[in-house]
Amino acid sequence: GAVVSQHPSWVICKSGTSVKIECRSLDFQATTMFWYRQFPKQSLMLMATSNEGSKATYEQGVEKDKFLINHASLTLSTLTVTSAHPEDSSFYICSALRTGGGYEQYFGPGTRLTVT
Amino acid sequence: GQSLEQPSEVTAVEGAIVQINCTYQTSGFYGLSWYQQHDGGAPTFLSYNALDGLEETGRFSSFLSRSDSYGYLLLQELQMKDSASYFCAVSAYSGGYNKLIFGAGTRLAVHP
Repeated sequence: GAVVSQHPSWVICKSGTSVKIECRSLDFQATTMFWYRQFPKQSLMLMATSNEGSKATYEQGVEKDKFLINHASLTLSTLTVTSAHPEDSSFYICSALRTGGGYEQYFGPGTRLTVT
Repeated sequence: GQSLEQPSEVTAVEGAIVQINCTYQTSGFYGLSWYQQHDGGAPTFLSYNALDGLEETGRFSSFLSRSDSYGYLLLQELQMKDSASYFCAVSAYSGGYNKLIFGAGTRLAVHP
């Protein structure tokens, strides 16, 4: 199989603090990972594309200084929400492309962030 | 830009067949995928069509017509556990990367 994990699965933080979310491919290497955000009853919105060893590519309207992405190895990408505010409360989901494996993205279980 | 349209809600009874349509406008199109998502969970991959035609996987089938920019997901022998949101997603080459762009999703409610 192709398993992707996320940690933490849920987090509550105070406004103004930063939160780091990890995305790991457990049994395969992933040169490319993606970060999505999903508000209740809405679709998944692509935030950024993360490539191992290079800077992430952010979608239009996503603040790169607020959502810091690091893809330091072929199995780990991290998303840090800096100076979080209540409007950042959402479900954050990562996915990974198996290196050399084609089109299918393998999704992590998601991280629910609540900012109080 | 990229856009996808699919119905917001569909209701059906157990054992029935339901078809969820998806139309798209995109550049750099590679293929059309379908994902299932239960409330509170992550999306799970159902199918992928890169070429015209029908792909069958058990109770689920997916169809693509590239010339019409149209596809559908067909669910047969519906079960209660099929109640979920279904998203079509376009694989498109954009900005140097092959990305997935999701539709707004169709909430399927299966009743006894």
